[in-house]
Amino acid sequence: RKEVEQDPGPFNVPEGATVAFNCTYSNSASQSFFWYRQDCRKEPKLLMSVYSSGNEDGRFTAQLNRASQYISLLIRDSKLSDSATYLCVVISVLNTGGFKTIFGAGTRLFVKA
Amino acid sequence: DGGITQSPKYLFRKEGQNVTLSCEQNLNHDAMYWYRQDPGQGLRLIYYSQIVNDFQKGDIAEGYSVSREKKESFPLTVTSAQKNPTAFYLCASRTGAQETQYFGPGTRLLVL
Repeated sequence: RKEVEQDPGPFNVPEGATVAFNCTYSNSASQSFFWYRQDCRKEPKLLMSVYSSGNEDGRFTAQLNRASQYISLLIRDSKLSDSATYLCVVISVLNTGGFKTIFGAGTRLFVKA
Repeated sequence: DGGITQSPKYLFRKEGQNVTLSCEQNLNHDAMYWYRQDPGQGLRLIYYSQIVNDFQKGDIAEGYSVSREKKESFPLTVTSAQKNPTAFYLCASRTGAQETQYFGPGTRLLVL
């Protein structure tokens, strides 16, 4: 089982739709969570952090479910410009006391007019 | 403006040749990372450095080498031992262990 798993998609949605992605993680000691956005042939860019209490930024809402070990990203009122690959990132504590950052393979989103 | 720069944007390698990818940051970040991304796949960690003059192998270090002589710079050499080097190479940096990583624009390496 991969340490971080995402549905690769693609998700094809019309403009204005609401779309949600999930990302599951296997290490219960994971402590920090993020969503990144990556446009085609570009570098990943931080979209938002995911806090235990949830996090909302405009049309984007991120949530953490520690009991079921997944994070989610909800996009409301989708825009054409939201078309991209969304990567979830999990930082886990190692037995040595260090930290390990794991990137999901990403979920591709296509928003169509 | 603070940020991470990578050069060149595109790099062509001949068989048996070593090539070096540049990564520079002026964010005063301690930790720097090199990732490889293949089409349709996630990022895989090649090497990382948490402090000057120290670096550690990541998950796919074979065929690669790095140095960290200055805080600002973390060059990656793709050696001839790397038999499948064609990929998108991303450099990243961050301040603390649980902080977000910031990426450079990447270098696309192609084999002639």
